[in-house]
Amino acid sequence: SQQGEEDPQALSIQEGENATMNCSYKTSINNLQWYRQNSGRGLVHLILIRSNEREKHSGRLRVTLDTSKKSSSLLITASRAADTASYFCATDTSGNRDDKIIFGKGTRLHILP
Amino acid sequence: SQTIHQWPATLVQPVGSPLSLECTVEGTSNPNLYWYRQAAGRGLQLLFYSVGIGQISSEVPQNLSASRPQDRQFILSSKKLLLSDSGFYLCAWRDMTYEQYFGPGTRLTVT
Repeated sequence: SQQGEEDPQALSIQEGENATMNCSYKTSINNLQWYRQNSGRGLVHLILIRSNEREKHSGRLRVTLDTSKKSSSLLITASRAADTASYFCATDTSGNRDDKIIFGKGTRLHILP
Repeated sequence: SQTIHQWPATLVQPVGSPLSLECTVEGTSNPNLYWYRQAAGRGLQLLFYSVGIGQISSEVPQNLSASRPQDRQFILSSKKLLLSDSGFYLCAWRDMTYEQYFGPGTRLTVT
């Protein structure tokens, strides 16, 4: 079953601009994570935000979480060509009778030179 | 440091043939282990996860199966492959901070 749903599905922006991706989910979570995938490669963990947190920063990344709306956003500031990749949100429902992390379909980000 | 291995990196198999993909983790003990499949240009579909030796939870009914014969070994199998089994298979393990670490993946093409 699909838990997270990212939007937009694809995003093209100019280098230097900020990129914002959103994720919505359906059930209660323990934490939400964002991952990055370069074409044909495995996923790399970017940032984790717990259900009792509202905002978290890591370098040029800023993640927000609104549990009342069941949504999260990932902001990449001052984008670079190397940020071109697919970005996935993943919801962790560990402890809610299961122990799994469910991924959304992802947002394909393309940074234009 | 922890490392996760997957092999083979690529595989081309005919319809009806068996499948065995292996994943091993180094540098940690009693990890939660996961198998995902990613169709071309799509998101990740959770196939199986395991919280311990011999403990397998299946997410999607299909002709695939998984086994965990050792603490740090996770195997994905099929007795007879279908065309729809083609995809990019990713193994992952999770640490106590809930972050997942992914292997390099196996690209399977069923012909």
